[in-house]
Amino acid sequence: GENVEQHPSTLSVQEGDSAVIKCTYSDSASNYFPWYKQELGKGPQLIIDIRSNVGEKKDQRIAVTLNKTAKHFSLHITETQPEDSAVYFCASRERDDKIIFGKGTRLHILP
Amino acid sequence: EAGVTQFPSHSVIEKGQTVTLRCDPISGHDNLYWYRRVMGKEIKFLLHFVKESKQDESGMPNNRFLAERTGGTYSTLKVQPAELEDSGVYFCASSGRLAGIGEQYFGPGTRLTVT
Repeated sequence: GENVEQHPSTLSVQEGDSAVIKCTYSDSASNYFPWYKQELGKGPQLIIDIRSNVGEKKDQRIAVTLNKTAKHFSLHITETQPEDSAVYFCASRERDDKIIFGKGTRLHILP
Repeated sequence: EAGVTQFPSHSVIEKGQTVTLRCDPISGHDNLYWYRRVMGKEIKFLLHFVKESKQDESGMPNNRFLAERTGGTYSTLKVQPAELEDSGVYFCASSGRLAGIGEQYFGPGTRLTVT
């Protein structure tokens, strides 16, 4: 079955700097890659997603890139702000609709 | 529009006891999913309902776990008897009719602690 690896597990960046989280997947049939943000006491919330027919997608300060050949995708957050501090999960969705998550990255934005 | 709700938010039980978790999906969502995150590990899929039918229950750990969705509305996940390794956060998610295309909306989770 699908396996999603996520790095790093913890990331600290200075406020205003950029943060990058990287993930790899194993199943070449996976065609949808969502990113979730989980804040304390809340469930994962979709922040951006990308489909396999697209190489890059951007939404304000957040962008995601996908390299299908290498089977890896990345989340980029620019001009980080304190409210960006959270746990971020990458994921892939298989054809049967289940979501396979990475282990998560705890992002700390330092003042 | 109300989001996905889960009850209770936190449950502490002793090994061998029974616990029932409840999930209320977004109104009108046919697809309902259960996931679990054991401490330090990834969020793992447990099962998927389409209305009242189990579409995929390949992630259920063993027969101590029983999920139901009578009437195709809310769902319950019962653990009986609970073991220490069942501790974790149980998430429920729902999506609209176009499964495989629609976004899955997650509830806040139920933190289960088995002592």
